[in-house]
Amino acid sequence: EVQLVESGGGVVQPGGSLRLSCAASGFTFSSYEMSWVRQTPGKGLEWLSFISDSGRAVDYADSVKGRFTISRDNAKNSLFLQMNSLRVDDTALYFCARDLRSRYGANYFDPWGQGTLVTVSS
Amino acid sequence: DIQMTQSPSFVSASVGDRVTITCRASQDISSWLAWYQQKPGKAPKLLIYTAFTLQSGVPSRFSGSQSGTEFTLTISSLQPEDFATYYCQQAKNFPALTFGQGTRVDIK
Repeated sequence: EVQLVESGGGVVQPGGSLRLSCAASGFTFSSYEMSWVRQTPGKGLEWLSFISDSGRAVDYADSVKGRFTISRDNAKNSLFLQMNSLRVDDTALYFCARDLRSRYGANYFDPWGQGTLVTVSS
Repeated sequence: DIQMTQSPSFVSASVGDRVTITCRASQDISSWLAWYQQKPGKAPKLLIYTAFTLQSGVPSRFSGSQSGTEFTLTISSLQPEDFATYYCQQAKNFPALTFGQGTRVDIK
């Protein structure tokens, strides 16, 4: 069974940092691109970041560029999101998702993890 | 960024009903559109990609269509497990991928 499990969420003060992890299983992780997407009640679903299968190509939404860094460890079937300079409006449920860009020709996401909650508050 | 506008925001329907949800893109996205289903407390699930193509394992009562920049998700006969929130997503404008605001399908 293809599975993605996020971890690392929590409560952090504005200006702080968090590192999210996503453990993948049930598929050849090193053969797939991956993305991070977050969800809030107010702004809905927001795509954040993409990483190629090798990890050599990355990209970001403008809202997190320069503050967030995506990375992966294919030997450990793991995806990461380093979040720095966190703001109150970064409060959200963060999902990792398998990105089907190389297979379907565009960035579609399937499956998604169950999400990890990040709360930025003083 | 490309804006994706879904309508309606809320649908009240009964089991067996035909349900149609619309998503309008603010500019041409060709057919680079996906539909997702999200149940409470769960992650979104890919239903349809490239406007029309059913993802593997998705029941055939779900279908997608397109007319210009207007996209439609149709559930031909609503089942109890279909009560959820549905989102569209444009995949034309990378890295500015955007989602619609969601349409909640609730039990009448």
